[in-house]
Amino acid sequence: AQSVTQPDIHITVSEGASLELRCNYSYGATPYLFWYVQSPGQGLQLLLKYFSGDTLVQGIKGFEAEFKRSQSSFNLRKPSVHWSDAAEYFCATTYGQNFVFGPGTRLSVLP
Amino acid sequence: NAGVTQTPKFRVLKTGQSMTLLCAQDMNHEYMYWYRQDPGMGLRLIHYSVGEGTTAKGEVPDGYNVSRLKKQNFLLGLESAAPSQTSVYFCASNQGSSNQPQHFGDGTRLSIL
Repeated sequence: AQSVTQPDIHITVSEGASLELRCNYSYGATPYLFWYVQSPGQGLQLLLKYFSGDTLVQGIKGFEAEFKRSQSSFNLRKPSVHWSDAAEYFCATTYGQNFVFGPGTRLSVLP
Repeated sequence: NAGVTQTPKFRVLKTGQSMTLLCAQDMNHEYMYWYRQDPGMGLRLIHYSVGEGTTAKGEVPDGYNVSRLKKQNFLLGLESAAPSQTSVYFCASNQGSSNQPQHFGDGTRLSIL
């Protein structure tokens, strides 16, 4: 069965620092991959998605992610973190018509 | 621009009580989903629907029932609530293709005493 792992439960970075959140998936074929962000008390909002083609995907809020088939990874990056980026981030893939979500990484931002 | 709307936003129940959570979407999406979110476990699929009048079990369906009588609505029922069902419940919808992202409601926080 499909699975998504996010090795980091909690990450703390200083405002203005760069960020990379890790995501690994298990699947044989080219997967559809997504990153979502969840602010406290809110639902999940789509940041970006990868289907095929260019392995570097741009999303909203200055985020990008890179698909690396050889590493089964889809890591999320941002060059300069803002305090408003503090939230929980979920990586997801699809399995048939269903989504499989990772356990999430909570991001804290220090002033 | 409502998107996906969940009601209620909060609810406290006693063990054994029943209740229904309502999800409504105004995007004419075919597929709808109910998830529960628990700390450290991400989102787990309870039930889903691929169209009006159809439902199917997800990863954790026990103790829940669903109905999709109208395309825009997807109801999640708890017949006899248990403390283990204390969670945050999210509804989502999409057009159904595996490359279409899901759109989420803001969640229902449910506590079972």
